[in-house]
Amino acid sequence: EPEVTQTPSHQVTQMGQEVILRCVPISNHLYFYWYRQILGQKVEFLVSFYNNEISEKSEIFDDQFSVERPDGSNFTLKIRSTKLEDSAMYFCASSYLAGVKGTDTQYFGPGTRLTVL
Amino acid sequence: AQKITQTQPGMFVQEKEAVTLDCTYDTSDPSYGLFWYKQPSSGEMIFLIYQGSYDQQNATEGRYSLNFQKARKSANLVISASQLGDSAMYFCAMREHTSGGSYIPTFGRGTSLIVHP
Repeated sequence: EPEVTQTPSHQVTQMGQEVILRCVPISNHLYFYWYRQILGQKVEFLVSFYNNEISEKSEIFDDQFSVERPDGSNFTLKIRSTKLEDSAMYFCASSYLAGVKGTDTQYFGPGTRLTVL
Repeated sequence: AQKITQTQPGMFVQEKEAVTLDCTYDTSDPSYGLFWYKQPSSGEMIFLIYQGSYDQQNATEGRYSLNFQKARKSANLVISASQLGDSAMYFCAMREHTSGGSYIPTFGRGTSLIVHP
């Protein structure tokens, strides 16, 4: 069964460093997303991406964040200058469509646990 | 106001018994989708079940069923014949049309389910 994959599974970085989190969405999906989950808290939407551009972003997704689809398979989240409060699990998700139907279900990757020291 | 409310931070159930995890939602949009995800201790988010606002019947997927009461705006997840492997966090989510023109899900805070032998 096709699945979303993410690398690395765990990333440790120093405050102020740049990190790139990588995702390979399900191959025929058209919409891509990043979410964040701070330990013990709920999942929060960061950004959605469609047709090579951001379609929506939350207030969390400020100038230190950027997303890119550098080729036909990868989808990346870059955090330019990490802060302690960026420590969280970051989930990539993809969906074929982006409405409210069951066919628009988002499938999540296993997550990347980012630890900022 | 919370869009998705999960009032049970933790639930315990005996193996082989059924359990209901509560979820209420708030929307004025007539078209929306409701989703449940399971998050085991390993951290990944696993899609379980979907219910559309116009669906006449309650959704079922194997041992999972969704008790959808539209007038009460509730979408409770029922797990029948609980198994030890069902121990996890369970998140209810809703997708509705946003002011930005897309359908971004909002997640509840989750319910921690522990199945004991």
